[in-house]
Amino acid sequence: NAGVTQTPKFQVLKTGQSMTLQCAQDMNHNSMYWYRQDPGMGLRLIYYSASEGTTDKGEVPNGYNVSRLNKREFSLRLESAAPSQTSVYFCASSVHRTNYGYTFGSGTRLTVV
Amino acid sequence: GDSVTQMEGPVTLSEEAFLTINCTYTATGYPSLFWYVQYPGEGLQLLLKATKADDKGSNKGFEATYRKETTSFHLEKGSVQVSDSAVYFCALSEGGSEKLVFGKGTKLTVNP
Repeated sequence: NAGVTQTPKFQVLKTGQSMTLQCAQDMNHNSMYWYRQDPGMGLRLIYYSASEGTTDKGEVPNGYNVSRLNKREFSLRLESAAPSQTSVYFCASSVHRTNYGYTFGSGTRLTVV
Repeated sequence: GDSVTQMEGPVTLSEEAFLTINCTYTATGYPSLFWYVQYPGEGLQLLLKATKADDKGSNKGFEATYRKETTSFHLEKGSVQVSDSAVYFCALSEGGSEKLVFGKGTKLTVNP
């Protein structure tokens, strides 16, 4: 099925460990996004990529890095995980302008202990 | 900056009740407005949208009208079902912006 695929679905890390969250879309969308969702906070934008080869910071970029590997893939890396990064992470994609809305992946639930 | 304010939940209704979830926004220009729905354990799905003043978005029995004079985009449904239980997010994007700004979400529970 067409859409946004995120891996893994669940992950437990120890403080200080690193990991990369993977995201791929097969809809030929130009723009991709990483959000985190925390109780009572809604969704907050971490990083986004308006097109292949470009990335920009969102609202809460500290502690994260991203790579837009090609048009399909946009990964999020935690270099040294902290308990404050315990969250549900969503990847999304859109046609160039957001007037068409986003398509979201099913999320990665990350726990840092 | 741009922001979205939703009524705080949770909201609990009986099946076939009328639903309203309030959403107001602050924006410098003329944003597009969206409602997204998140079912348990899933990602967000676009429910409906409106791109200019007085537009009405509708889908699956839900409706919302873009009211520029009151900067509002309230979500309504005439008769809710148990299957409508989910978290609902209001969101906006400014013209030409690559980013959506989300409200904090409103959890709806519908009891049989």
